[in-house]
Amino acid sequence: DQQVKQNSPSLSVQEGRISILNCDYTNSMFDYFLWYKKYPAEGPTFLISISSIKDKNEDGRFTVFLNKSAKHLSLHIVPSQPGDSAVYFCAASALNFGNEKLTFGTGTRLTIIP
Amino acid sequence: DSGVTQTPKHLITATGQRVTLRCSPRSGDLSVYWYQQSLDQGLQFLIQYYNGEERAKGNILERFSAQQFPDLHSELNLSSLELGDSALYFCASSVADRGQYEQYFGPGTRLTVT
Repeated sequence: DQQVKQNSPSLSVQEGRISILNCDYTNSMFDYFLWYKKYPAEGPTFLISISSIKDKNEDGRFTVFLNKSAKHLSLHIVPSQPGDSAVYFCAASALNFGNEKLTFGTGTRLTIIP
Repeated sequence: DSGVTQTPKHLITATGQRVTLRCSPRSGDLSVYWYQQSLDQGLQFLIQYYNGEERAKGNILERFSAQQFPDLHSELNLSSLELGDSALYFCASSVADRGQYEQYFGPGTRLTVT
């Protein structure tokens, strides 16, 4: 039962344009969401998070949007840079239920085309 | 560099053997989490320790066990190894309080069972 889904296994975007990565979840107890970036042979690197009391969080070029009614979140990267090419994972946890473990999606491979 | 260290980086062993993976969390982090990433799969939560105590358990096999020591480093023990245990094993740590729940991942240990 895949509670966090990333339906696009890959995405290619021109350098300088906006990259939009999507994630859907099914568990209504999830209340904290994170995005991680992963290069080959490295551990996931934390990018940005959002609590369910917010619908948007920004950090530099990265913005995460949360639509609780649709159980959907997205990560926007503007402008996209070649170094952004990596696999992006969304993850969720149910902190208000005392559950800090992360449930991960299967990832989206982002390729930025110079 | 996330500040989380894992040793060894690579491990090759035979079926039926036992191995120990080690993790040192970021300075000040009390929580340690272990995740497994098998080929073509997302990260699966195994187990969490908080300040020496087991806090949450995920899809961890009975052949696997973990502990967190007084200095907060953690070890994941895998025994009676099978071919299917070949995977990347990641350790993560977090403060897990004061509203900060981001988990920071180590570089992983690649286990190959032959």
